[in-house]
Amino acid sequence: DAKTTQPDSMESTEGETVHLPCSHATISGNEYIYWYRQVPLQGPEYVTHGLQQNTTNSMAFLAIASDRKSSTLILPHVSLRDAAVYHCILRAPALNQGGSAKLIFGEGTKLTVSS
Amino acid sequence: EAAVTQSPRSKVAVTGGKVTLSCHQTNNHDYMYWYRQDTGHGLRLIHYSYVADSTEKGDIPDGYKASRPSQENFSLILELASLSQTAVYFCASSPGLGASAETLYFGSGTRLTVL
Repeated sequence: DAKTTQPDSMESTEGETVHLPCSHATISGNEYIYWYRQVPLQGPEYVTHGLQQNTTNSMAFLAIASDRKSSTLILPHVSLRDAAVYHCILRAPALNQGGSAKLIFGEGTKLTVSS
Repeated sequence: EAAVTQSPRSKVAVTGGKVTLSCHQTNNHDYMYWYRQDTGHGLRLIHYSYVADSTEKGDIPDGYKASRPSQENFSLILELASLSQTAVYFCASSPGLGASAETLYFGSGTRLTVL
């Protein structure tokens, strides 16, 4: 799976809209872009994923560049509960039942939210 | 929403002792995984399973065994615990294959300290 690059940390204030960037210049055509977040003492939590089109759900909006070499996770109106480490991960779907949904987690971006 | 529960939440073990970490999921998912996370680092896949009574090796299986006696339960076994196995262990499950079906749902983790 291709590698991603994210800033180590970002700071925000409650109520702001936060843009978390992710660079993946060597992404392959069949690789999906997944975002997970993790708070201390908890397991990672799925946020969203996409292939080519922008996607949105109750948690976030995922903007994917037209050349797919970068993406941005947009968190509207952040609250203190959104403070976490956000991981951008690339993953090609497994081809058969014996394949695993192995996600390679890096360091991610630590988002700090102040009141 | 997927429910993955791990037990115990924390454990202290002695070097050379046997440790069993348990994981139970209630969402009828086919796939289950064991990851470990070391302080300040990402997650690494130890073992996974896509069907009961069968397990597969992940990226770092040495020193670990896994057991999947039923679809709901997945255990990680350290036959001879070592200091290097001190870490936080996360269990996860996913419905199956395909971009959306491979979304992982994580438990809250087991903090293992080997002395």
